[in-house]
Amino acid sequence: GESVGLHLPTLSVQEGDNSIINCAYSNSASDYFIWYKQESGKGPQFIIDIRSNMDKRQGQRVTVLLNKTVKHLSLQIAATQPGDSAVYFCAEIPLGGSQGNLIFGKGTKLSVKP
Amino acid sequence: ETGVTQTPRHLVMGMTNKKSLKCEQHLGHNAMYWYKQSAKKPLELMFVYNFKEQTENNSVPSRFSPECPNSSHLFLHLHTLQPEDSALYLCASSLMNTEAFFGQGTRLTVV
Repeated sequence: GESVGLHLPTLSVQEGDNSIINCAYSNSASDYFIWYKQESGKGPQFIIDIRSNMDKRQGQRVTVLLNKTVKHLSLQIAATQPGDSAVYFCAEIPLGGSQGNLIFGKGTKLSVKP
Repeated sequence: ETGVTQTPRHLVMGMTNKKSLKCEQHLGHNAMYWYKQSAKKPLELMFVYNFKEQTENNSVPSRFSPECPNSSHLFLHLHTLQPEDSALYLCASSLMNTEAFFGQGTRLTVV
């Protein structure tokens, strides 16, 4: 079946730098995407979401970009901090699905060097 | 804390044992979910309950049996599991038009 995937399994950045985590999706019928953060020993935590009628959405230090032409989703973290170290997952909601009915990618592990 | 509580946090069980995982939410959400997270694999949706009714079963083996007595509680009954069932089992809840909130998971080891 169709699924959401991530380009890189790991990403290492220096504290204070900006981080960009990428995700490619294949289901063009999906119209809702979410980024989750999972710290060690914890469940996934919602970061930010975006609908297909938008190409950019900003939160606190985070920005999600959606390029529907190439089916690409990215998460940008500004001024990355040690507390940002975690595994980041992108996920899509199938058309007609509820919010928890998520299809997850494999995740990118972000490591922040002090 | 997310408002979704799972117990136990860790569980070790033999292949002939019967055990249950519990999930509880007091967020007023109407939908609850079980996910399985295995090493090096994406999170996999197992079951979906909406207003206590099961609306999705993603081809999960019958040795996993969910139960949703009310909108705030969700159980996953386990029996005759296999070692490959060892994983982190995550519960989540949501309203229809809001994000899903996850519990911290139960780390299950089948020996």
